[in-house]
Amino acid sequence: EAGVTQSPTHLIKTRGQQATLRCSPISGHTSVYWYQQALGLGLQFLLWYDEGEERNRGNFPPRFSGRQFPNYSSELNVNALELEDSALYLCASSLTGVDGYTFGSGTRLTVV
Amino acid sequence: RKEVEQDPGPFNVPEGATVAFNCTYSNSASQSFFWYRQDCRKEPKLLMSVYSSGNEDGRFTAQLNRASQYISLLIRDSKLSDSATYLCVVTASGSYIPTFGRGTSLIVHP
Repeated sequence: EAGVTQSPTHLIKTRGQQATLRCSPISGHTSVYWYQQALGLGLQFLLWYDEGEERNRGNFPPRFSGRQFPNYSSELNVNALELEDSALYLCASSLTGVDGYTFGSGTRLTVV
Repeated sequence: RKEVEQDPGPFNVPEGATVAFNCTYSNSASQSFFWYRQDCRKEPKLLMSVYSSGNEDGRFTAQLNRASQYISLLIRDSKLSDSATYLCVVTASGSYIPTFGRGTSLIVHP
């Protein structure tokens, strides 16, 4: 069974540009969570999608947005990139949450 | 008070030692609890779920104390390969959002 896949693995952008990160959940998982992990810090919750709808978002500005497609894959978009957006962006999927959450290997975003 | 708090460590222990981590949570309505392991610059991986009755998986034992709102992880007979950051994860009832602690760093040395 394929795990959670994220692309690209690495992304380098210039301040002010836009970044698009992608995530494919485990087959059958309908929930996708996005987290930001800045260097040396913990995982900060960004967004939760389930059944194609945004169910909750963390304490991040509106320039962080995303969507979930009918096949449950998801995109995270970050507009007007700032230097402090440099971080590891992790996507996790789950079916019910009771059995835990499976993470992809992440996209390392560097803003220069 | 943070939702999920952990002692960041690092815990520096010799091979074969027993080490225990605690994690406290603030929301008394929390219903799901997990321990994750994260290696440097890698994604977190599920180590074990934590049940009210406590559970064991080989050298690892997890306990939940709802009255005091904490969970614990005990690692017996530490191996070099146990060196990692251990993340406590709590999901509140009705929230469905897993909240992560900042992690406890474990270093096992020869």
